[in-house]
Amino acid sequence: QVQLQESGPGLVKPSQTLSLTCTVSGGSITSGSHYWSWIRQPAGKGLEWIGRIYMSGSGSANYSPSLKSRVSISIDTSKSQFSLKVNSVTAADTAVYFCAREVGAHCSGGSCYPTFYFDSWGQGTLVTVSA
Amino acid sequence: QSALTQPASVSGSHGQSISISCTGSSKDSGGYNYVSWYQQHPGKAPKLMIYDVINRPSGVSHRFSGSKSGNTASLTISGLQSEDEGDYFCASYTTNKTPWYVFGTGTQVTVL
Repeated sequence: QVQLQESGPGLVKPSQTLSLTCTVSGGSITSGSHYWSWIRQPAGKGLEWIGRIYMSGSGSANYSPSLKSRVSISIDTSKSQFSLKVNSVTAADTAVYFCAREVGAHCSGGSCYPTFYFDSWGQGTLVTVSA
Repeated sequence: QSALTQPASVSGSHGQSISISCTGSSKDSGGYNYVSWYQQHPGKAPKLMIYDVINRPSGVSHRFSGSKSGNTASLTISGLQSEDEGDYFCASYTTNKTPWYVFGTGTQVTVL
């Protein structure tokens, strides 16, 4: 059973960079049918997809249009980790940040078909943006 | 990207059935069979309950089922139990502006 664990500072000052790492255990981070996502949830509000990374070459990433200019996601396969950076943070970036494994394909009998859902999540880590 | 629309709250008595709707557009829930549902208890990580509109992961109770009609997906909980209380979110693959995901606004389920 794959497990994910977020880590990083719980307090970040406005205008600085938020950096979080997700460590994956019990499964391969280089799996071709899985992607690795970051999702956040402001207190009392809904979930917001931030972006994802997948193993294509050195790692390819996709980002939410609303955050694309400030976000980057990277992967370190040697440590089985993937990371999130959000630049120029404001109070609006205060949220619980989750890392999650996304299933991108189902394969059976040599045939694969696409799918899109998150089957494993980390416990989440609260990041507060405040001076 | 606009969030998928869910009712803010749904309640039901023990043993009853309830349904939670999730309404989007032809660019997400209506156009693709990639709707998933997640249960979240306070302070906990979301748990996958349904994927690809109708499929239930192993370990999830048969009391949970999914369906879709037009742009609206639904999650039905049969035989409502106390442990079903919590927040429920839908999610869908989207091509609105750019891919990939949009979440629902969330529904709080209360067992009376």
